[in-house]
Amino acid sequence: QVQLQESGPGLVKSSGTLSLTCAVSGGSISSGNWWNWVRLPPGKGLEWIGEVHHSGRTNYNPSLKSRVTISVDKSKNQFSLKLTSVTAADTAVYYCAIEGGYKLDYWGQGILVTVSS
Amino acid sequence: QSALTQPPSASGSPGQSVAISCTGTSSDFDGYKYISWYQQHPGKAPKLMIYEVNKRPSGVPDRFSGSKSGNTASLTVSGLQAEDEADYYCSSYAGDNDFYVFGTGTKVTVL
Repeated sequence: QVQLQESGPGLVKSSGTLSLTCAVSGGSISSGNWWNWVRLPPGKGLEWIGEVHHSGRTNYNPSLKSRVTISVDKSKNQFSLKLTSVTAADTAVYYCAIEGGYKLDYWGQGILVTVSS
Repeated sequence: QSALTQPPSASGSPGQSVAISCTGTSSDFDGYKYISWYQQHPGKAPKLMIYEVNKRPSGVPDRFSGSKSGNTASLTVSGLQAEDEADYYCSSYAGDNDFYVFGTGTKVTVL
C-alpha cells in the first residue's frame, strides 16, 4: 500500500510562498496515477488545490490557478506544492493524496501551515 | 466552481440510519458517475468510503451505501455506530474541466 508523507515549514509569512513536499513510499510516482493536493482551512470544508501526473501534466483549481504550481521529482519519488502570495486565508491543514480512477484513494496525515502577518 | 451543497449536520441514535445529501448543478453531476464520499475524524486524514456513486473500497463496511438521483447524491449510514461520528464530504470529478469539487461537509453525530 502506498504511503504519503507531507513535509515543509509550518509557518509562512504573509505575501510569501508556501512550499510543501509529499514523499511517496511503497510505490512509484511513475505508476500512472495522478498526485493531488487538498487543504482543510480551520472551521471550513475540504478544498481541492490541484494534481500532477508523472509526465508533468497538471490540473489546478481555477480559484487558485494563478498562484499554484505542482511539480513532480521522479528521482526522489516525491511531488511538491508551491503557493505564492499567501494570506491568512491560506492557513490550513494541507494533505497530499493519490488518485486512482477519479477518486482519492490514500491520503497523507496532513501538515498544518499557518500564515503569519 | 462552487462547492457542492451538504447539510451542516445530521444525527441518529446507535442502530438507526442517517442519510446525507449532496446537491450540485447539472454541470457537476450530469453524465458523470465519479462521485465519491470521504469520512474524516478530527485531526485525521480523510478516508475514502464510497466511489463511483455506490461502490465501496475493500474494508469499508456494507453499512455505508451511496446513490444518485438527478443533481443530488446521497450517502446512507445504516446501523449507526459510535465510530461513525465524523465529518463526511462528497466530491465530484468535473471531467469537462479536469478538476474536483468537494461538498461543504456534514458533521454526523451519534446520539
